[in-house]
Amino acid sequence: AQRVTQPEKLLSVFKGAPVELKCNYSYSGSPELFWYVQYSRQRLQLLLRHISRESIKGFTADLNKGETSFHLKKPFAQEEDSAMYYCAFLKRGGSEKLVFGKGTKLTVNP
Amino acid sequence: EAGVVQSPRYKIIEKKQPVAFWCNPISGHNTLYWYLQNLGQGPELLIRYENEEAVDDSQLPKDRFSAERLKGVDSTLKIQPAELGDSAVYLCASSLGGVTDTQYFGPGTRLTVL
Repeated sequence: AQRVTQPEKLLSVFKGAPVELKCNYSYSGSPELFWYVQYSRQRLQLLLRHISRESIKGFTADLNKGETSFHLKKPFAQEEDSAMYYCAFLKRGGSEKLVFGKGTKLTVNP
Repeated sequence: EAGVVQSPRYKIIEKKQPVAFWCNPISGHNTLYWYLQNLGQGPELLIRYENEEAVDDSQLPKDRFSAERLKGVDSTLKIQPAELGDSAVYLCASSLGGVTDTQYFGPGTRLTVL
């Protein structure tokens, strides 16, 4: 089945510590992958997409085809990074759509 | 720019009652999406419109759910009759072009069916 898996439902780190949110995908083809974020009381929004290869708010994500992963990383977490993070891929062919993982809730403690 | 607007933000109804959700996308966005988000899950696509045409409604439970996008702008999602299992957040999103463009989400409507 074509899906993304976010193995951690909850992740807690201290301010200034590195953070890595894991995402593994199962997709036959070249995936287009995304990270979406939802801050408390805000709407879901795009954080970054792998084809852009850019860093947003200090976050980066590298597509690793060998490990079928697209982990989100930040070297020094900030309290304002606390949010719900969703990994997603663009399913092509037939019903083209974004397929989301179940999300990881990141808490950055002071 | 207000972004994607949804109303109501919250709705509580009894089972077997009808309910409707409204969405106004970002001005100029041709593609509109309705998603269902159950507790502890990511959003799941229900239906996608390109202008007025529903180009993907394969995940929409057509026995009780219906949607329309008149004049290719606003959209309404309806459930009739609602069931207990329909309690969830219903998200609307829009994008300028198709699915490869960035999707902008609304705040969602939280439905509780008693």
